[in-house]
Amino acid sequence: DTEVTQTPKHLVMGMTNKKSLKCEQHMGHRAMYWYKQKAKKPPELMFVYSYEKLSINESVPSRFSPECPNSSLLNLHLHALQPEDSALYLCASSQVALGGNEQFFGPGTRLTVL
Amino acid sequence: AQSVTQLDSQVPVFEEAPVELRCNYSSSVSVYLFWYVQYPNQGLQLLLKYLSGSTLVKGINGFEAEFNKSQTSFHLRKPSVHISDTAEYFCAVRTLSSNTGKLIFGQGTTLQVKP
Repeated sequence: DTEVTQTPKHLVMGMTNKKSLKCEQHMGHRAMYWYKQKAKKPPELMFVYSYEKLSINESVPSRFSPECPNSSLLNLHLHALQPEDSALYLCASSQVALGGNEQFFGPGTRLTVL
Repeated sequence: AQSVTQLDSQVPVFEEAPVELRCNYSSSVSVYLFWYVQYPNQGLQLLLKYLSGSTLVKGINGFEAEFNKSQTSFHLRKPSVHISDTAEYFCAVRTLSSNTGKLIFGQGTTLQVKP
């Protein structure tokens, strides 16, 4: 199983809502990532978890709150988002967060903030 | 710091023609190199990667790339494209010493295959 799954596929939320994105992998990977991708742009790294611990936060606003409950799951909690946060949110995983390890990407959650 | 430049934002090509998507990188240390493809409304899929060894790397779907250290390039090629190759292609690098997994992406090249 070389699949990273993400739910939901689409999400529409108001600026006062609280919602969560979910990512799951069963490849035994110990590194998981959140990326944000705007249209016609490359993915931008947001967070990296390594062995269930947050190892990178790329100066992401606190309205985005990541959580890694176990080695297979990664959540992204959203609160008080702005319209400019509308984007495709991609989750990825790799064996470990080292050098040449391939990152496997999920299909993404397309988020629209009204 | 590392950076990646994809020299063409869009590459139109007719079906069954050859194609080359260009990628140059800048880094003061050794890097790993990757090409990813993103089909519409999907995530990224790894086409191929260069870690070490032979500078000619073969990937999935008939793609290959050549690592040229002196020119700091990693161009992607396919001898004969199909309509289904229409997608966004991203070149990316990561330093050998990285323990964060951080990929540095280029801005992407849109490959448009015409019938």
